[in-house]
Amino acid sequence: LAKTTQPISMDSYEGQEVNITCSHNNIATNDYITWYQQFPSQGPRFIIQGYKTKVTNEVASLFIPADRKSSTLSLPRVSLSDTAVYYCLVGDRLGYGNKLVFGAGTILRVKS
Amino acid sequence: NAGVTQTPKFQVLKTGQSMTLQCAQDMNHEYMSWYRQDPGMGLRLIHYSVGAGITDQGEVPNGYNVSRSTTEDFPLRLLSAAPSQTSVYFCASMASGGAHELNTGELFFGEGSRLTVL
Repeated sequence: LAKTTQPISMDSYEGQEVNITCSHNNIATNDYITWYQQFPSQGPRFIIQGYKTKVTNEVASLFIPADRKSSTLSLPRVSLSDTAVYYCLVGDRLGYGNKLVFGAGTILRVKS
Repeated sequence: NAGVTQTPKFQVLKTGQSMTLQCAQDMNHEYMSWYRQDPGMGLRLIHYSVGAGITDQGEVPNGYNVSRSTTEDFPLRLLSAAPSQTSVYFCASMASGGAHELNTGELFFGEGSRLTVL
């Protein structure tokens, strides 16, 4: 199982860029890196996914170095509504025989 | 689309009682899974299934049973409830198998079932 390690918590202010790093030293060749966001009393929801280099969508960017042993989720210009728990998940996106195990997550607190 | 539907949303049990948490998805996803989330903690994988008739254990399978007789449904059974099973349970599904372009690797979660065991 590709275990992940993230910072327990981070604080930021509105309008700042936030970078959350995830370490996954034993990532396998077929594994993708996926980030989820979870608000209290809700299930996690997909933010972004990548395999290598950089991926960008309308809400975030994901940076993955060549060795793929870590990844960084970048949230541009955060707002109060971005206060949530962010999870990094590493696994084969086909799901075959794959235990998609979540790490502890990072609590992001955005202040005004 | 309804997505992933979990029932019940809330349940209170007494120690030793059994019950089934229901999970249904209408996205024709092959992959389904159950997680539990204790207060202030991350999600822990209980059981998962990569298709009808196939199930496997996750991180914390003890005290739970699952079956997958159809693609749509993945019920989670608590055999003899214990206070340690007080938690919020999330069901999730994901497209997998078949045409590669359909496998986005995105888990879709239900709204959760909050279980209290007294």
